[in-house]
Parts: sequence; structure tokens; C-alpha cells
Amino acid sequence: ELKVEQNPLFLSMQEGKNYTIYCNYSTTSDRLYWYRQDPGKSLESLFVLLSNGAVKQEGRLMASLDTKARLNTLHITAAVHDLSATYFCAVDIPNSGYALNFGKGTSLLVTP
Amino acid sequence: EAGVVQSPRYKIIEKKQPVAFWCNPISGHNTLYWYLQNLGQGPELLIRYENEEAVDDSQLPKDRFSAERLKGVDSTLKIQPAELGDSAVYLCASSPDRDSYEQYFGPGTRLTVT
Repeated sequence: ELKVEQNPLFLSMQEGKNYTIYCNYSTTSDRLYWYRQDPGKSLESLFVLLSNGAVKQEGRLMASLDTKARLNTLHITAAVHDLSATYFCAVDIPNSGYALNFGKGTSLLVTP
Repeated sequence: EAGVVQSPRYKIIEKKQPVAFWCNPISGHNTLYWYLQNLGQGPELLIRYENEEAVDDSQLPKDRFSAERLKGVDSTLKIQPAELGDSAVYLCASSPDRDSYEQYFGPGTRLTVT
């Protein structure tokens, strides 16, 4: 069974602090995805990581992929309130085109 | 360019009633997905279309759920009869073709079954 596990599921952090969200997955996959979801809104694509060792950065967010360890991380640098949202990692479902299997999400709250 | 359009955005029905959700993908996108998102969970795939063909419907509960994409553009997802446990957000996503990994999600339809 394909599993995608995120850690932590809930995260409250102060503005200006750094933190990392971890995503482990159980199947071989060369592609990992990060999505953001604001309350009541749909999913917004943040990053697609296509190969082992891939690193992508956008603003205060940086994603990196280790396919050997089956570990995907999302690092938050100097958090600001606007980053408050739920973050999902996802992997391709095998033999299903590019349909995605999502983790449960990490609900992030950044406080002053 | 318009994004993925879904309607209705919200629907409240009583259990045992039928309900239908509509999705209009981004123009030119051949691949269409329906996902189910329960509260506090990530989306789960229900069905994937390549043009008008349902190529992966293994997760669709076929006793009460059905879907169609007759002309390979718009799609409809139906539940009949609805159960309390069907309360969730139903998301539609599209991508240009089967070789494209980028998916674009619609705003979803939030279903409440009472």
C-alpha cells in the first residue's frame, strides 16, 4: 500500500523562526510535489521535484528531495504570517499516469 | 486563461438524495481528475479521465458513484443515493495530457449530507 506520511501534522511557530516539514513515502518515486491550501480554498502547486537531490526555493520556502531515503522536506525560513496554511506533499500513484497520493497535510500557523 | 471551474461551490442535501457536481477543465486539457477530500485529510483520487475514457476508476465506489465525460471536455460526478459519510469536498483537477505531471485544481464543491 502506498503511504505518504507528513510530520508534523500541526505546527505553530513564531514569526521569524525556521522550521522543517518532513514527508516520507513508501514507494519508489522520482517525483515529489508540494501544495498549499488556504482555508476554504483549492490547492496551489508550490514545487515539483523531479529527481534525487533536487532543491527548489521560492521566497521563504525551500523544498528538497532524497529519493534514496524516500524523504521530501519543506523548509521554512524566517516565517511570516502569510505562510499560515495547510501544506500537502504528494507522490505519483504507480501506474496511474500522474494521479497523486497525498499526505494528510501539515497545518501551519505563524503567530506574531 | 480561466482556471478549472466547478459548480456548485456548496451543496447541502438530505441523505438518500441524489447529487451531481460539474467540472469544466482548463481549455485544451485532455486529462481530468476527480478527488475527494475529507475534513483534515489530503485529497484522494476517485477517477482519472484521458479525454472521454475513464482510465483509472478503481477508487470510485461504483455502487453509488458514477462519472462521465462524454465529449472529453466537461465532466459530471454523481452520487445516488448520498450517505452521511459522503460529506466532503470534491475537487476536480486537469492537466494538458497524460504526459504532463502538473495538475491544476479547481475550487471544489463542498457537499454536506444531513
